[in-house]
Amino acid sequence: LAKTTQPISMDSYEGQEVNITCSHNNIATNDYITWYQQFPSQGPRFIIQGYKTKVTNEVASLFIPADRKSSTLSLPRVSLSDTAVYYCLVGPSGSARQLTFGSGTQLTVLP
Amino acid sequence: NAGVMQNPRHLVRRRGQEARLRCSPMKGHSHVYWYRQLPEEGLKFMVYLQKENIIDESGMPKERFSAEFPKEGPSILRIQQVVRGDSAAYFCASSLSYQETQYFGPGTRLLVL
Repeated sequence: LAKTTQPISMDSYEGQEVNITCSHNNIATNDYITWYQQFPSQGPRFIIQGYKTKVTNEVASLFIPADRKSSTLSLPRVSLSDTAVYYCLVGPSGSARQLTFGSGTQLTVLP
Repeated sequence: NAGVMQNPRHLVRRRGQEARLRCSPMKGHSHVYWYRQLPEEGLKFMVYLQKENIIDESGMPKERFSAEFPKEGPSILRIQQVVRGDSAAYFCASSLSYQETQYFGPGTRLLVL
């Protein structure tokens, strides 16, 4: 499974756009990129998944450059409730049988 | 459509006792995964099951841990003779198929005294 690298932590203010970048230099041809969000004392929650270019849903956007060696999760106009740990995962077929979670990025949204 | 359900949400056991953690997957999902999260760490895969079959148990400790997903009823993660190092949050996820997104339950927090 491709290894991922993310910033350990990020701070932002309410109303700002937040971009979290994940590096995955060894991504394989059939690997998808998936992002999960985890609040304290809760299970991870699926946010978004993509293979290339750009994917957008009601929660976030995912930007993937042509070489696919990195990806950026974009959260528009964050609020205090977006404070959480965000995990970037890479695996085949959109969701590998065993998801490999790294340390994630602790996003703190300040008032 | 109810999400993945886990019970109990919190479980306290003394060293040497048994812990049984239950997971009911989302409706229609026949693939179940168990993960363990130690404090300040990411989730670590333990086992992947389909109905009545263990597909991948590469993340399971060799001793004291077992899992099942019977034809009827929830999936069970069983830890025998618990030790303090077993204290962690245990998460269950389910998916429609092995290629589909995994959806997680709220977890069971096990504390071994």
